Amino acid sequence: SYELTQPPSMSVSPGQTARITCFGDELPKKNAHWYQQKSGQAPVLVIYEDSKRPSGIPERFTGSSSGTMATLTVSGAQLEDEADYYCYSTDSSGDHGVFGGGTKLTVL
Amino acid sequence: EVQLVESGGGLIQPGGSLRLSCAASGFTVSDSYINWVRQAPGKGLEWVSVFYRDGNTYYADSVKGRFTISRDNSKNTLYLQMNSLRAEDTALYYCARLQPPSNGKAAGYCDYWGQGTQVTVSS
Repeated sequence: SYELTQPPSMSVSPGQTARITCFGDELPKKNAHWYQQKSGQAPVLVIYEDSKRPSGIPERFTGSSSGTMATLTVSGAQLEDEADYYCYSTDSSGDHGVFGGGTKLTVL
Repeated sequence: EVQLVESGGGLIQPGGSLRLSCAASGFTVSDSYINWVRQAPGKGLEWVSVFYRDGNTYYADSVKGRFTISRDNSKNTLYLQMNSLRAEDTALYYCARLQPPSNGKAAGYCDYWGQGTQVTVSS
């Protein structure tokens, strides 16, 4: 079955830039979307269609996609950005959703 | 305001059945696409199934043949019927509205999520 691969964890100091990657063979043809999930809360969409930012999401969150890799960048990470981040896309059929394994971002 | 509220979770024995509900407000279920997503304790998000507004449904291999989506237009509610439940189905189950892509590439995104309903399968 199709998989999206993310690093399990990442740590940055406040003010530094975090870049979270997501690899998938279908990403050249499929959108990548990114969700932030804080402890005990439902996921929140932070980037959609590779690089678009929903209203209300801080500008420090940006996304890009090239070839089989999508990237979520958090520029000038803040303490409140500490969370799990998941990429999401679909398999070759376009009908089965797939989440990456998630990346735990620590800001300290 | 768009809202989704899940309900129907609980403690169930292996082999049992549960029906989860996803009550929507602020939009019409029959005109929308909706994902079911689950999260096992301490684990990541797992896509479970999708409902398309044309009535088509698709399921993850892990639940195919055991889970079925249905809808009640009069209640603006989507249901996830879960049969032959297993311990590995234990999770927090979310429903989320799925927006179709707008940029010519495939794969839509979930813009609104409910708070989830807990399903625990244990004897």
